[in-house]
Amino acid sequence: AAGVIQSPRHLIKEKRETATLKCYPIPRHDTVYWYQQGPGQDPQFLISFYEKMQSDKGSIPDRFSAQQFSDYHSELNMSSLELGDSALYFCASSLYSGGAPDTQYFGPGTRLTVL
Amino acid sequence: AQSVSQHNHHVILSEAASLELGCNYSYGGTVNLFWYVQYPGQHLQLLLKYFSGDPLVKGIKGFEAEFIKSKFSFNLRKPSVQWSDTAEYFCAVNDNGGSQGNLIFGKGTKLSVKP
Repeated sequence: AAGVIQSPRHLIKEKRETATLKCYPIPRHDTVYWYQQGPGQDPQFLISFYEKMQSDKGSIPDRFSAQQFSDYHSELNMSSLELGDSALYFCASSLYSGGAPDTQYFGPGTRLTVL
Repeated sequence: AQSVSQHNHHVILSEAASLELGCNYSYGGTVNLFWYVQYPGQHLQLLLKYFSGDPLVKGIKGFEAEFIKSKFSFNLRKPSVQWSDTAEYFCAVNDNGGSQGNLIFGKGTKLSVKP
């Protein structure tokens, strides 16, 4: 079965540079979530989108922005990168089912290293 | 704020031993509960979930979990672990009670199974 695709899988950037992470949800999934997992930490929710609209916002820095496109893929844009942004960034997708609980399926993650 | 507690940071077992990992959540309303597993260097994979109904849920790879509402608990169990179960296990809750809520994760329990 098709899974969530994230690109790139690894990214190395210098401080103050920008980065763009991409997420392609499972086909027909309409909701995308972004999580950040620091070394040895649990995943922390950043932001989510449903039908191209932001649906929820967590601990996402103002330096980060994200959007969901008409094909439901999502991009996380990160500017003025800091050393502390080094982490594994997961995308998850789900299918909205009219108020019933949904299940999030995670992608392989993008490992961002900021030097 | 909603929180999830996992009691054990690191559990070491021998093959064939029984496993129980504790998970408690703080929210008193309707919750949806999940266990995810993260094998070394890999992404989060869904082990099992509880939305409603039978409080004993069975997942993949012989895992099961029991939802005890009065104890705010959702402990993960496996009767006989294998070396391949070595991984980090995350309990998560969606406190939205419905759909599209972000997941709140526990700190994770690292399981090491000795052959």
